[in-house]
Amino acid sequence: SQQGEEDPQALSIQEGENATMNCSYKTSINNLQWYRQNSGRGLVHLILIRSNEREKHSGRLRVTLDTSKKSSSLLITASRAADTASYFCATDAWGWGKLQFGAGTQVVVTP
Amino acid sequence: GAGVSQSPSNKVTEKGKDVELRCDPISGHTALYWYRQSLGQGLEFLIYFQGNSAPDKSGLPSDRFSAERTGGSVSTLTIQRTQQEDSAVYLCASSPPKGDEQFFGPGTRLTVL
Repeated sequence: SQQGEEDPQALSIQEGENATMNCSYKTSINNLQWYRQNSGRGLVHLILIRSNEREKHSGRLRVTLDTSKKSSSLLITASRAADTASYFCATDAWGWGKLQFGAGTQVVVTP
Repeated sequence: GAGVSQSPSNKVTEKGKDVELRCDPISGHTALYWYRQSLGQGLEFLIYFQGNSAPDKSGLPSDRFSAERTGGSVSTLTIQRTQQEDSAVYLCASSPPKGDEQFFGPGTRLTVL
């Protein structure tokens, strides 16, 4: 069964705009990770945030985590056509890597 | 360096046949994971290896599914008596000691006719 639910299911934006997607989960976690999947490169790890962290940045990515609401958000700033992909949140409840993935958000960035 | 590799990339089989899917993790990665991705179920965890041991097999859908890992490296996922609902992309991932990031292979697309 899936742990996370992502919102929206699909997102269409223009280059240069920001993209925000949300992930909600059901049980307590050790960490939450975001992955990107496109046909060219498969599943690629983007960023990890631990349960005791509230915000993390990596390049154009910003992740927040609210454990009281059991939710996370991923913000991609100044999007590019190459950001077109499906984005998945994945929760790790125990810290040894058993990931439970959400259904994903399909992002399309048009020039 | 070389990433996670999986073979075959595509496998078409007839219902009732057995199939073996192979995963070569990144050298030095001690943890290895199998997932399945299908349209109806999304990405599902199947099994986790630490070295050659499998502490968590809870995601294997039925006793037709089994996996092993030898030499702390290559892993094989075997599906016996395949059914049409086994059709999916089977993904393998590995991670280094004390690492949380998982590196995924390109997957094996299994089609059961």
